[in-house]
Amino acid sequence: EVQLVESGGGLVKPGGSLRLSCAASGFTFSSYSMNWVRQAPGKGLEWVSSISSSSSYIYYADSVKGRFTISRDNAKNSLYLQMNSLRAEDTAVYYCARETEYYDILTGYSHFDYWGQGTLVTVSS
Amino acid sequence: DIQMTQSPSSLSASVGDRVTITCRASQSISSYLNWYQQKPGKAPKLLIYAASSLQSGVPSRFSGSGSGTDFTLTISSLQPEDFATYYCQQSYSTLWAFGQGTKVEIK
Repeated sequence: EVQLVESGGGLVKPGGSLRLSCAASGFTFSSYSMNWVRQAPGKGLEWVSSISSSSSYIYYADSVKGRFTISRDNAKNSLYLQMNSLRAEDTAVYYCARETEYYDILTGYSHFDYWGQGTLVTVSS
Repeated sequence: DIQMTQSPSSLSASVGDRVTITCRASQSISSYLNWYQQKPGKAPKLLIYAASSLQSGVPSRFSGSGSGTDFTLTISSLQPEDFATYYCQQSYSTLWAFGQGTKVEIK
């Protein structure tokens, strides 16, 4: 059974840092790209960052670029999000999600097929 | 960046109703469109990928259609467990984007 379990959330002051972790099990972690998606209280989903299976390709949303760093350790089946210079608007539930590709002849279509339960990050003084 | 716009933002419907949610992309994304369902306090759940492919285990009353810039999610006969918020997501660009969500409420 595929499982993704986030941890590391909590209360942090503006300007502070936090490191989120996502422990994966039930699949070959090193074969999949992974993503972080967040949801502010009462708001919609916002994609944050993605990392390819071998960490060769990394992307960030403009809202976090230069402040957040995504990484992974395939030996530990773990995904990370280092969050620095945190702002009140970063307050959200952070989900990790597995990215899977479906191939229709020669075209690959990606989607997020498994999600963790989320971890809450609150940025407040 | 590609923007995704859903309509309506919310709707009220009764059990058994046919429900249609629309998602529009700011540029053509071919069939690179996914749909998710989210219930309060829970993680999103994948329903449809590649615009019209039903995720394993998802009831057949859910269907997706469209290509280019305009897409629809249809629930053929709304069930009590379908009251939730639905999001579209484009996978054309490496900078993933979600629509703002459509909340389906009980009439």
